[in-house]
Amino acid sequence: AQTVTQSQPEMSVQEAETVTLSCTYDTSESNYYLFWYKQPPSRQMILVIRQEAYKQQNATENRFSVNFQKAAKSFSLKISDSQLGDTAMYFCAFGFDYKLSFGAGTTVTVRA
Amino acid sequence: DTGVSQDPRHKITKRGQNVTFRCDPISEHNRLYWYRQTLGQGPEFLTYFQNEAQLEKSRLLSDRFSAERPKGSFSTLEIQRTEQGDSAMYLCASSLRQHTDTQYFGPGTRLTVL
Repeated sequence: AQTVTQSQPEMSVQEAETVTLSCTYDTSESNYYLFWYKQPPSRQMILVIRQEAYKQQNATENRFSVNFQKAAKSFSLKISDSQLGDTAMYFCAFGFDYKLSFGAGTTVTVRA
Repeated sequence: DTGVSQDPRHKITKRGQNVTFRCDPISEHNRLYWYRQTLGQGPEFLTYFQNEAQLEKSRLLSDRFSAERPKGSFSTLEIQRTEQGDSAMYLCASSLRQHTDTQYFGPGTRLTVL
């Protein structure tokens, strides 16, 4: 079974600043997928960004980018130019075959 | 573009009662998943369908839980003889055909067992 660890329960960032969320995982598989999902308060979970393990290039989506270190089994998310709407719970997820394994989440609060 | 929908959004029930939740996936998606999320935690996998076939059930899914996807479209999750420990958010997700395809989540059904 794969385990996903998010070591930061809460993070706070000033609007327009940058915040980095950490995620590590444990697996013996070589071909897998990694995801960051965002869950705003009382709203549904939405995909932020996705990374294929076979790709060396780090994924980016507008203000969101990842630092994928396959050998270290690390997958951090950087949010640049933070906006108030980024306030949410962020989950790191490991995907292999059809199943997702999630970390416990990091609550991000963006301060005005 | 219609996303994944779930009904009801909230359900309050008394211990021992049966409840049923419905999930409608994105129309062209043939894979459907159920997860359970307790407060402050990440979702945990419960079960998975490819079309109408239920291909895996987690050990979290006790005998009181049953899921169906009769025509490969919508799915239902039934919990019999509910217990207080069943209180959680039940999330449904769907994806296209490949195991590599991204899963898209519905808004969830929040169950409270009194």
